[in-house]
Amino acid sequence: NAGVTQTPKFQVLKTGQSMTLQCAQDMNHNSMYWYRQDPGMGLRLIYYSASEGTTDKGEVPNGYNVSRLNKREFSLRLESAAPSQTSVYFCASRATFTGNQPQHFGDGTRLSIL
Amino acid sequence: KNEVEQSPQNLTAQEGEFITINCSYSVGISALHWLQQHPGGGIVSLFMLSSGKKKHGRLIATINIQEKHSSLHITASHPRDSAVYICAVRSNSGGSNYKLTFGKGTLLTVNP
Repeated sequence: NAGVTQTPKFQVLKTGQSMTLQCAQDMNHNSMYWYRQDPGMGLRLIYYSASEGTTDKGEVPNGYNVSRLNKREFSLRLESAAPSQTSVYFCASRATFTGNQPQHFGDGTRLSIL
Repeated sequence: KNEVEQSPQNLTAQEGEFITINCSYSVGISALHWLQQHPGGGIVSLFMLSSGKKKHGRLIATINIQEKHSSLHITASHPRDSAVYICAVRSNSGGSNYKLTFGKGTLLTVNP
């Protein structure tokens, strides 16, 4: 059981390039989340998907777009990367949106924008 | 003021010592989570609790809802416990109960 799988694990981009971070979960979870983790700060929510077919902005959505492709997959896209988007990105999933269950995290994508 | 405050920020211990990491929060919550992140690694959920105490192996998590405070204890610490420990809370207010608010983490280093 793989849990939450993120690809790629590492990526270096030049300013202005675009890329998509992929996330898939095999736990049949309804809700999925994208976070960024920066030094000296707690994890911050970028976007979330409460259920298949819905997406909503979190705390720091500017510069990002998401797609909930199906129940398993939730991708994060940087259309025009900026150095301020250098960060570690984590995808997470949870069984339901409103219930009290733990979130399951992927291993992260370490992204550098030059 | 952050909604979730952890202390200490950094903690260095000798193998075998008893470790305590604290988390204070300012909002009403429905649940509190303790997470572990090894250097360069992913994030693993250790505990989710809304009252009382939970124990898993050498790890113990407690919460005092009235005082808005939780502690994570590690007994007989070991170098493999070296990691960042993160506290996160889920608010119980209708507009915010969909998301977790995270503390900045406590970096624990256990020396042999």
